[in-house]
Amino acid sequence: GAVVSQHPSWVICKSGTSVKIECRSLDFQATTMFWYRQFPKQSLMLMATSNEGSKATYEQGVEKDKFLINHASLTLSTLTVTSAHPEDSSFYICSAMYSNQPQHFGDGTRLSIL
Amino acid sequence: RKEVEQDPGPFNVPEGATVAFNCTYSNSASQSFFWYRQDCRKEPKLLMSVYSSGNEDGRFTAQLNRASQYISLLIRDSKLSDSATYLCVVKILSNQFYFGTGTSLTVIP
Repeated sequence: GAVVSQHPSWVICKSGTSVKIECRSLDFQATTMFWYRQFPKQSLMLMATSNEGSKATYEQGVEKDKFLINHASLTLSTLTVTSAHPEDSSFYICSAMYSNQPQHFGDGTRLSIL
Repeated sequence: RKEVEQDPGPFNVPEGATVAFNCTYSNSASQSFFWYRQDCRKEPKLLMSVYSSGNEDGRFTAQLNRASQYISLLIRDSKLSDSATYLCVVKILSNQFYFGTGTSLTVIP
């Protein structure tokens, strides 16, 4: 089946640090990638939708200068949390999709900012 | 009104029981429907797509009712390993998806 790899799986860093998360589709070319965050016991919250070679579309309330998304190729998207603060601590999950197929999720990145 | 609504549960059922979840959606232009399962502190994994005619995969049966705008998931002969949160997902446009809040299931020995 479709495989989406996300790296790193766990990050702990100091406040003010910028953190980069990678999302790769390993066995298919993803026309669209999505970035979500999820707080404990809550549902997934879509942050942005990213198409290869174009600017990401951010959801209302998500700061694009805070959460930088780059989708340079059909198999790689990156999310950079700039100048992270404790309130940015969360579970960040990417997903990738090809054409009309369902989304397939990466295994998530648990971000803890001290 | 939310695009997708699910009963959050929790559903606590004994092993071997049959359990059903429903999910309603508000946009009649919704194109595709899916059930995902999410284990605690893990990513969602696709359980099954939902087709108009209904579809079955082992102990799992998914159904779609376009007239009433709901989808359902039936789990027969529940196993302990079925304990998870089940997410209903509706696709409206080519890359526009809406997630339900998830239904928590615990299967008890």
